[in-house]
Amino acid sequence: DSGVTQTPKHLITATGQRVTLRCSPRSGDLSVYWYQQSLDQGLQFLIQYYNGEERAKGNILERFSAQQFPDLHSELNLSSLELGDSALYFCASSPSGTSGGIYNEQFFGPGTRLTVL
Amino acid sequence: GQNIDQPTEMTATEGAIVQINCTYQTSGFNGLFWYQQHAGEAPTFLSYNVLDGLEEKGRFSSFLSRSKGYSYLLLKELQMKDSASYLCAVFPGGATNKLIFGTGTLLAVQP
Repeated sequence: DSGVTQTPKHLITATGQRVTLRCSPRSGDLSVYWYQQSLDQGLQFLIQYYNGEERAKGNILERFSAQQFPDLHSELNLSSLELGDSALYFCASSPSGTSGGIYNEQFFGPGTRLTVL
Repeated sequence: GQNIDQPTEMTATEGAIVQINCTYQTSGFNGLFWYQQHAGEAPTFLSYNVLDGLEEKGRFSSFLSRSKGYSYLLLKELQMKDSASYLCAVFPGGATNKLIFGTGTLLAVQP
């Protein structure tokens, strides 16, 4: 158990719909990262928040957005869903704002499996 | 651009040693991580290298050569539970504060 929690574990929805994925980081971690993992692709970085502010952005679609709240939990909002958005969505957390460093490995949550029908 | 290459699949025998290679071409280099991921589960941290050389951690070791843009993960005394994907991830540093992940190497350990 990494200490990172994600809800829901599974989500099945229809094309065109909107969903919200939730993540609570490990106690004391200030950074939250969101990743998408599809069957035919590796782990794709979407976005990072550090202490409530956006810190880094990857290949995140305009239909997707995220935020980090004062209690440091984060939400990833996916809208106008398409079949290709079906994937595992992971949240990870780390102590500091940088992605590097020996004591700054990322701890991953169990993921949310999104299925778009 | 950013590019990380790993073999797609490998097979090894229980009790043996296996080496999983990773080559990278990134805009910068400020560290390399190895993660293990069992099917449908979260990646878990294995090792971190930032300087050239070998880092040993029990049955797992990781090597880095920055001049060659090359790393490997060495797994000794293989066990069935080591069957998983192994992900190499590079932190280029600089303006882009993100890890670049390879697509992973799926290791199958056979009896």
